[in-house]
Amino acid sequence: GAVVSQHPSWVICKSGTSVKIECRSLDFQATTMFWYRQFPKQSLMLMATSNEGSKATYEQGVEKDKFLINHASLTLSTLTVTSAHPEDSSFYICSARDSWTGGRNTEAFFGQGTRLTVV
Amino acid sequence: QKEVEQNSGPLSVPEGAIASLNCTYSDRVSQSFFWYRQYSGKSPELIMSIYSNGDKEDGRFTAQLNKASQYVSLLIRDSQPSDSATYLCAVNEYSSASKIIFGSGTRLSIRP
Repeated sequence: GAVVSQHPSWVICKSGTSVKIECRSLDFQATTMFWYRQFPKQSLMLMATSNEGSKATYEQGVEKDKFLINHASLTLSTLTVTSAHPEDSSFYICSARDSWTGGRNTEAFFGQGTRLTVV
Repeated sequence: QKEVEQNSGPLSVPEGAIASLNCTYSDRVSQSFFWYRQYSGKSPELIMSIYSNGDKEDGRFTAQLNKASQYVSLLIRDSQPSDSATYLCAVNEYSSASKIIFGSGTRLSIRP
């Protein structure tokens, strides 16, 4: 499968600071990237969908001013958690996929995830 | 509200047996279906994708799709302890701007 690299794999930050998470597709062009959050023993929660060159589409209840998403190129998307608080501590995962193939959407591949702890 | 439903489990299967995981979806126009495996503390990894009605086999894994019944399943033959994980069913609409909708996952436990 295609490779998606997410960095950092874990980060600890102080309350009130901002954290940037990078998601890169290494061997394909990711026209669409998704950002998820997952709390322990819970399912994936989609935060936003971003298409290269466009503004991200946020899911209901996700604050766009707090979770800034940039998808400036076909291989890189970033998620910045601004003014982080302890309740933002979670496992953040990106996934990426290429455009149509044969008239149907292709699979999405996941990055390794970033475990954020806000103290 | 488009939904993907899975039994949360845990599903306990003896080693060497067949594990059967099921998923139903609500959106009839869905065209692409995926199974992901997620180990505890790790991100999901793609196991299978299926687009047409019928069976698709890959090693010990077989995905089955029935669009009329809006049902997709995953069979794991000769189950191994390393198969113990949460299995996520995912569905994508037939649209370039669509998002992938995940089920909440089924926890599978293979007992030696």
